[in-house]
Amino acid sequence: EDQVTQSPEALRLQEGESSSLNCSYTVSGLRGLFWYRQDPGKGPEFLFTLYSAGEEKEKERLKATLTKKESFLHITAPKPEDSATYLCAVSTEGGTSYGKLTFGQGTILTVHP
Amino acid sequence: NAGVTQTPKFQVLKTGQSMTLQCAQDMNHNSMYWYRQDPGMGLRLIYYSASEGTTDKGEVPNGYNVSRLNKREFSLRLESAAPSQTSVYFCASRLGVITYEQYFGPGTRLTVT
Repeated sequence: EDQVTQSPEALRLQEGESSSLNCSYTVSGLRGLFWYRQDPGKGPEFLFTLYSAGEEKEKERLKATLTKKESFLHITAPKPEDSATYLCAVSTEGGTSYGKLTFGQGTILTVHP
Repeated sequence: NAGVTQTPKFQVLKTGQSMTLQCAQDMNHNSMYWYRQDPGMGLRLIYYSASEGTTDKGEVPNGYNVSRLNKREFSLRLESAAPSQTSVYFCASRLGVITYEQYFGPGTRLTVT
């Protein structure tokens, strides 16, 4: 069974204090790893897709990296507006093509001014 | 481009009542999904439609039915609501073919008393 585990569950940072969120996965046949941001009362907002080990993607203060067992979301010099829940998900299609996503529990990030 | 839209935003039902959650996307995506999000459980797939004219069960389909009305619209029906169906429901869509990321709607918060 596919499993996705995110750590830590919650992270509090001061503005400007860089850190990383972790997403470890146990799957067969990874098709893609995805990072989403979710604000309270809103739907998940797509951030990145990573397809293969060694791949990196960047967007503003966020950088996502992928190895064969885990992904990191690095946040450089965060601002209060980066506060949100960050979700990691994997797609493992096997013999089907319906694109099921398996989600982790998320990391709640709070950035204090 | 509105992306993925959902109606209603909030709903309160009594046990045994029925209702339909509506979802529409204007991105010409092929695949559509219904998830529920519960504290401590993460996002779980209820039903999906890989393409127009097809639907299939996800992880937690009991108590739900779906209809893929056309390429744009995918509805979720609760025939006889139960308190265990109190949750936040998200619709998502995916272009399909070689892309795997899904785009989510704003959600429907459902309370069953």
